[in-house]
Amino acid sequence: GAVVSQHPSWVICKSGTSVKIECRSLDFQATTMFWYRQFPKQSLMLMATSNEGSKATYEQGVEKDKFLINHASLTLSTLTVTSAHPEDSSFYICSARGGQGALRDTQYFGPGTRLTVL
Amino acid sequence: GENVEQHPSTLSVQEGDSAVIKCTYSDSASNYFPWYKQELGKGPQLIIDIRSNVGEKKDQRIAVTLNKTAKHFSLHITETQPEDSAVYFCAASRTGGFKTIFGAGTRLFVKA
Repeated sequence: GAVVSQHPSWVICKSGTSVKIECRSLDFQATTMFWYRQFPKQSLMLMATSNEGSKATYEQGVEKDKFLINHASLTLSTLTVTSAHPEDSSFYICSARGGQGALRDTQYFGPGTRLTVL
Repeated sequence: GENVEQHPSTLSVQEGDSAVIKCTYSDSASNYFPWYKQELGKGPQLIIDIRSNVGEKKDQRIAVTLNKTAKHFSLHITETQPEDSAVYFCAASRTGGFKTIFGAGTRLFVKA
């Protein structure tokens, strides 16, 4: 149990275009979802936290108008990188938390999405 | 703010040896401590966790210990194998919907 999927696993786009990444909890209801960004050989950088049906809470320094997050249901959250530029190229990982018992406390991560902006 | 320090940043061991990764947390109210393993190009995967009402937990070759007084917790991997090579993250949080704070990660190399 506690499986989180992400789609797409990788994407290449041109500068100026927008890219949407989906994160789904497959076998539990995720009351909270998180979006992280990870640069090569570095740690996880939390970008934002979203609760189902509420606006996302962004970490300091993360532009909310550039990284749009929607958590419309208990199993789906999306991250849209708007007007992407080469500096947005990175590994984006979502995680989900929710469910019953121990699942409430643990973040389960998706497999990540590699974004390359040309 | 809350912080989790993780050491070492890189660890190289010979196959069959043990590996130990140590973390220190700052928030004394933290009561849940998960460990994640991240292989290259993949998302972190939960490998073991421990709650503050327990001092030690073991699952086959991996074990975690917790010292609440010192605010230290450690991951122990015995009889390491090449497939244990990965980045390991410790984390600390309070149950009930609080933010999880991650350590910076330890890159473990197991040499065959």
